[in-house]
Amino acid sequence: DAGVTQSPTHLIKTRGQHVTLRCSPISGHKSVSWYQQVLGQGPQFIFQYYEKEERGRGNFPDRFSARQFPNYSSELNVNALLLGDSALYLCASSPTGSENIQYFGAGTRLSVL
Amino acid sequence: GQSLEQPSEVTAVEGAIVQINCTYQTSGFYGLSWYQQHDGGAPTFLSYNALDGLEETGRFSSFLSRSDSYGYLLLQELQMKDSASYFCAVRDAGGNYGQNFVFGPGTRLSVLP
Repeated sequence: DAGVTQSPTHLIKTRGQHVTLRCSPISGHKSVSWYQQVLGQGPQFIFQYYEKEERGRGNFPDRFSARQFPNYSSELNVNALLLGDSALYLCASSPTGSENIQYFGAGTRLSVL
Repeated sequence: GQSLEQPSEVTAVEGAIVQINCTYQTSGFYGLSWYQQHDGGAPTFLSYNALDGLEETGRFSSFLSRSDSYGYLLLQELQMKDSASYFCAVRDAGGNYGQNFVFGPGTRLSVLP
C-alpha cells in the first residue's frame, strides 16, 4: 500500500510569490495535518483537517491556508512568500480514532530566494 | 501556552541503553507520542502513551506520568541505525479550534561503535 505522498519534492520560489503544496493520505485515512520543519528544529503544526473540515490551526499567519478535498487529499497554500518560509513542509495522515498516530510523507523542500 | 522540553543531544555506545526525557506544558492533554527522524528523512511513529505507565514495543519503550507532565523514551540494545533525532509530541485541546499538535525540539542521538 502506498504511504503518504507529497508533491513536489523540491520547490524554489522568490519572495512575494505564492506556492501550493499537495498531499495524498494513506488510503482510508480521513485526517490530514500539515507541518513546517526548519532545519534542526521539531515540526511546527500548521493545520489539521478531518472530513474536509479544519479541526486545528497552529500559530501561523493568514498567508497560510489549506483545504481538503472529497478524496481526502489536501493542499497547503502560502501567499506572499518570505525568506523565512524556507523549510521542509510535511504532511501527515492518521486513521480515524487514532489521530495521535501520524504517518508522515517525505515532505516538500521549499526554498524562498 | 504549550511547550515541550527535551535534551538537545545524547550520546551512547552500541549495545547500551539510553533514556530520552520529555516534559510538557499543555492546555488539555490527549497523550504523548514519540517519533524518530533520520537525517533527510520523514518522522516515523514509534510509540504512544495515553495513560500512565510503560508501553513496550520491541527494543523501544515509552513511559508517561500525567501527574508529573513527564515522559521518556527508552532505547535498549542500541544499534548504529538508531542514530537519529527523536521527538516527543502531544495533542492537546489548545489552539484556535480546540485541537493542536505540538512537537518538542528534538533530541539528537548519536550511537558510537
